[in-house]
Amino acid sequence: SAVISQKPSRDICQRGTSLTIQCQVDSQVTMMFWYRQQPGQSLTLIATANQGSEATYESGFVIDKFPISRPNLTFSTLTVSNMSPEDSSIYLCSVRGGAESNTQYFGPGTRLTVL
Amino acid sequence: SQQGEEDPQALSIQEGENATMNCSYKTSINNLQWYRQNSGRGLVHLILIRSNEREKHSGRLRVTLDTSKKSSSLLITASRAADTASYFCATDIGGGADGLTFGKGTHLIIQP
Repeated sequence: SAVISQKPSRDICQRGTSLTIQCQVDSQVTMMFWYRQQPGQSLTLIATANQGSEATYESGFVIDKFPISRPNLTFSTLTVSNMSPEDSSIYLCSVRGGAESNTQYFGPGTRLTVL
Repeated sequence: SQQGEEDPQALSIQEGENATMNCSYKTSINNLQWYRQNSGRGLVHLILIRSNEREKHSGRLRVTLDTSKKSSSLLITASRAADTASYFCATDIGGGADGLTFGKGTHLIIQP
């Protein structure tokens, strides 16, 4: 299984600012995925990040609000821009891996609170 | 993407009893995966069942899949207090480039 770390683990931010979340994987992976989990809710896919190309965003998510970088096969960042309290969520990155390559493994998440 | 439905939304049972959670989904899938989440932390992968499989076991976990009904169930036998968590099903339509579509989750409480 893949080991995934995220930084920061949590943060409290002011409205209108931006936060960049880092995701590091212990092995090279083609695809990395970013999810959002709003309070008391399930997970929703934000975008898929493929190294060397533009991220693909799901309906309701746009690059200006959630820019993503994928500089190499083990690392990605997600920025939450111009934050509002509605952006308060847990943000999780995920990769496929393991003996069954369809298994998706998740990082520990970044808990973001916007005041 | 549309989320599936899980029921019950919350389940409280006594330690030692079995817990069953159900998941329904809407589209054809490549596989279905179950996850556990403790207190808003990261997700722990429990089991993956492929669309051509009907049942799968892992320790105290048993997962069934009925593709004709577009439904799956997760059974936890001989529950323990440490099983208290939220459980999510997630469907994968395949293709490698796709993320997962998650159900709404079941919050399971095991009473000691």
